[in-house]
Amino acid sequence: DQQVKQNSPSLSVQEGRISILNCDYTNSMFDYFLWYKKYPAEGPTFLISISSIKDKNEDGRFTVFLNKSAKHLSLHIVPSQPGDSAVYFCAASDGGSNYKLTFGKGTLLTVNP
Amino acid sequence: NAGVMQNPRHLVRRRGQEARLRCSPMKGHSHVYWYRQLPEEGLKFMVYLQKENIIDESGMPKERFSAEFPKEGPSILRIQQVVRGDSAAYFCASSPQTSGRIYNEQFFGPGTRLTVL
Repeated sequence: DQQVKQNSPSLSVQEGRISILNCDYTNSMFDYFLWYKKYPAEGPTFLISISSIKDKNEDGRFTVFLNKSAKHLSLHIVPSQPGDSAVYFCAASDGGSNYKLTFGKGTLLTVNP
Repeated sequence: NAGVMQNPRHLVRRRGQEARLRCSPMKGHSHVYWYRQLPEEGLKFMVYLQKENIIDESGMPKERFSAEFPKEGPSILRIQQVVRGDSAAYFCASSPQTSGRIYNEQFFGPGTRLTVL
């Protein structure tokens, strides 16, 4: 029973273009969403988050959009850089146990120079 | 300002042996979380601990697995009588004291990769 789904295992984009990573969830109790970035042999690093009371959060080149009715969120990276190449995990938590993150399987982003 | 430290980074055990994974949280952090990542999967929550207390172990297998976070020293995840299915990356995360915030950001360590032969 996968509550957070990242249906694209991989994504390849050209440097300078936009990268769009998608995530769907099924648990309507989730109220906080996060994106983590992970390089090989390292732990996940927090990137950006959004509360369910918002539909957009922006931080530099990174923007997360949340569509609650569709139970869908996306991460936009503009412009993409080769250093952005990594695995991106979508994660969610619910207010009842806000410490327990539920992760998707991840999307491998490759940004080509 | 050291981050979350985990050791060993790689651990090889034969079936039936014990595995001990250590996690030192970031300075000032009193909350520790353990996650497991099986091959081709996302991270899955195992257990949440505060100093000398297990707060939530709902994600931990009922048998062979245990976790502790003593008053002094690192948090330990212990797996007894390991089996091949225990082979995975085990990540520890830590966070500062919660204070009614909607979410407390978790900082992850580099993980321990356990291989059971």
